[in-house]
Amino acid sequence: GAGVSQSPSNKVTEKGKDVELRCDPISGHTALYWYRQSLGQGLEFLIYFQGNSAPDKSGLPSDRFSAERTGGSVSTLTIQRTQQEDSAVYLCASSPQSSSIYFGEGSWLTVV
Amino acid sequence: AQSVTQLDSQVPVFEEAPVELRCNYSSSVSVYLFWYVQYPNQGLQLLLKYLSGSTLVESINGFEAEFNKSQTSFHLRKPSVHISDTAEYFCAVSNYNQGGKLIFGQGTELSVKP
Repeated sequence: GAGVSQSPSNKVTEKGKDVELRCDPISGHTALYWYRQSLGQGLEFLIYFQGNSAPDKSGLPSDRFSAERTGGSVSTLTIQRTQQEDSAVYLCASSPQSSSIYFGEGSWLTVV
Repeated sequence: AQSVTQLDSQVPVFEEAPVELRCNYSSSVSVYLFWYVQYPNQGLQLLLKYLSGSTLVESINGFEAEFNKSQTSFHLRKPSVHISDTAEYFCAVSNYNQGGKLIFGQGTELSVKP
């Protein structure tokens, strides 16, 4: 597609449930990033993929968070046993050569 | 470690007035610098970037930013703002050696009033 595509755009889940957020990067972009945007915390880096490997996962807040990327394209961010503090907008971004990074519209997650 | 400080959390201005959104960074290595804009209920859009070369960079909608290495700043300016410029603006740095990971400032909310 023309831009970074994320799904779902909105997700409401019950505390304790698992959620999966999907990111489809711009075709040909080798680098893929996940960020989280929440009130009071600003924009936080979560994880970076180069191809299918993740050389930097330093921003994942706990072991409940994991991510994978397959085929050098689609990525899934999984949050297990969701907590209310996980409520945020999860932004995916991609980049061709690690210079300009392009963001998707985000997945708005609400944990109730 | 790198960090970014946006000195103003909110900047209210009147339409057609000039505006400056301040950004300072700290880094022990050379960095790339970016400004992103986020309109209400939308994702982040790249506004402009400094990678190398001329220290003054411009966007297509009249914004400009100047990289000042000695002051470690990358302030964003526009000589005359429009109502449609109302948005949140984020300054960010990246280090190519870290895979281009962006470190963001806390954001500046620009509110343009008629």
